[in-house]
Amino acid sequence: DQQVKQNSPSLSVQEGRISILNCDYTNSMFDYFLWYKKYPAEGPTFLISISSIKDKNEDGRFTVFLNKSAKHLSLHIVPSQPGDSAVYFCAASMINAGGTSYGKLTFGQGTILTVHP
Amino acid sequence: DVKVTQSSRYLVKRTGEKVFLECVQDMDHENMFWYRQDPGLGLRLIYFSYDVKMKEKGDIPEGYSVSREKKERFSLILESASTNQTSMYLCASSLPGTHSYEQYFGPGTRLTVT
Repeated sequence: DQQVKQNSPSLSVQEGRISILNCDYTNSMFDYFLWYKKYPAEGPTFLISISSIKDKNEDGRFTVFLNKSAKHLSLHIVPSQPGDSAVYFCAASMINAGGTSYGKLTFGQGTILTVHP
Repeated sequence: DVKVTQSSRYLVKRTGEKVFLECVQDMDHENMFWYRQDPGLGLRLIYFSYDVKMKEKGDIPEGYSVSREKKERFSLILESASTNQTSMYLCASSLPGTHSYEQYFGPGTRLTVT
């Protein structure tokens, strides 16, 4: 059962425009969400995160929005640049019953973003 | 800068071979993880370790085992490689604590089992 879902396998955007990547989750116990970016032949790198007590977090061109009632988060990239072309993964984590998480993350399937010059 | 290194970038093995994938991190992180990445499935957790000699199964542990004898090193073992274990394998590490969510990844090992 896929607890974190990215339903768009790919997204194509013109340089300078906004890119919006979406992610849905099913487990209401998730309390922290992250976005990772992955270039071919490299490991994923952390991009931005958001705690469940917030509904927005911004870092430069990147903004993550969280809608807890809809169990939905989105990553906005404005303006998009060709160097943003990569696979984007959303991930979620939760504190387990023992009060720890060991940092376990559950990842979505990924969305391939292509930004055209 | 956190550095996570993996022993091989590309590996080709035969069905039935025992395969060792090594991962080393240099930031004294307690938590270490092994994932595999497959198209359309994202990253799936195989095993993780929160301390030396401690390990926990992830979501897809079947056919794999792990070893963590030293804090900086986490090994993934394919006991008898099969073609359905052809994949990209990614190692990651993170800080200890109850909110140690940000994981740092190695470059990955592309394993082909023929």
